[in-house]
Amino acid sequence: IAGITQAPTSQILAAGRRMTLRCTQDMRHNAMYWYRQDLGLGLRLIHYSNTAGTTGKGEVPDGYSVSRANTDDFPLTLASAVPSQTSVYFCASSDSTPAPQYFGPGTRLTVL
Amino acid sequence: RKEVEQDPGPFNVPEGATVAFNCTYSNSASQSFFWYRQDCRKEPKLLMSVYSSGNEDGRFTAQLNRASQYISLLIRDSKLSDSATYLCVVNGSSANSNSGYALNFGKGTSLLVTP
Repeated sequence: IAGITQAPTSQILAAGRRMTLRCTQDMRHNAMYWYRQDLGLGLRLIHYSNTAGTTGKGEVPDGYSVSRANTDDFPLTLASAVPSQTSVYFCASSDSTPAPQYFGPGTRLTVL
Repeated sequence: RKEVEQDPGPFNVPEGATVAFNCTYSNSASQSFFWYRQDCRKEPKLLMSVYSSGNEDGRFTAQLNRASQYISLLIRDSKLSDSATYLCVVNGSSANSNSGYALNFGKGTSLLVTP
């Protein structure tokens, strides 16, 4: 059982480029989340999805988009990357109730 | 006031010591509470849920005080491997809010256990 996988593990990206971070879970969890973690700021919610076919904005959604075509996958897209999007990105999933979230290993993204 | 507040530390303790972390939360309607552990450059991992009556898992004890809106984590007989950042986590608004089944994460308390 893999749990949650993320790809790529790390990426260096030129500013202005488009980038999609991938996230897949095999736990059949309904809810999925994307966070960014920056030093001193903790985990901040970017977007979430309560169930396949629905998405919502979190605390810091600007510059990011998501889709949830099925239960397992929840990709995060940066349409035109900027240096302030340099961060570690974590995907997480949980059952529908306010339940513990389980995190993927993260993607380290550097935008130059 | 931030949703979840923690002392960032660092807490430096010798092996074998007992250490306690506290965390306060602002939403009195919160119903779910957790402690997560995060190692450097790794993902957060669930350490334990926190129940109203308090709960214990080996050397770890979690307590909840709803009246004062704080949560605590006690680690007994600290090991070198306990060195990590401990995140206090509280559920946010209901699922009908604009944050889904939101969890609010504290920024974490850093623990360093020394030989």
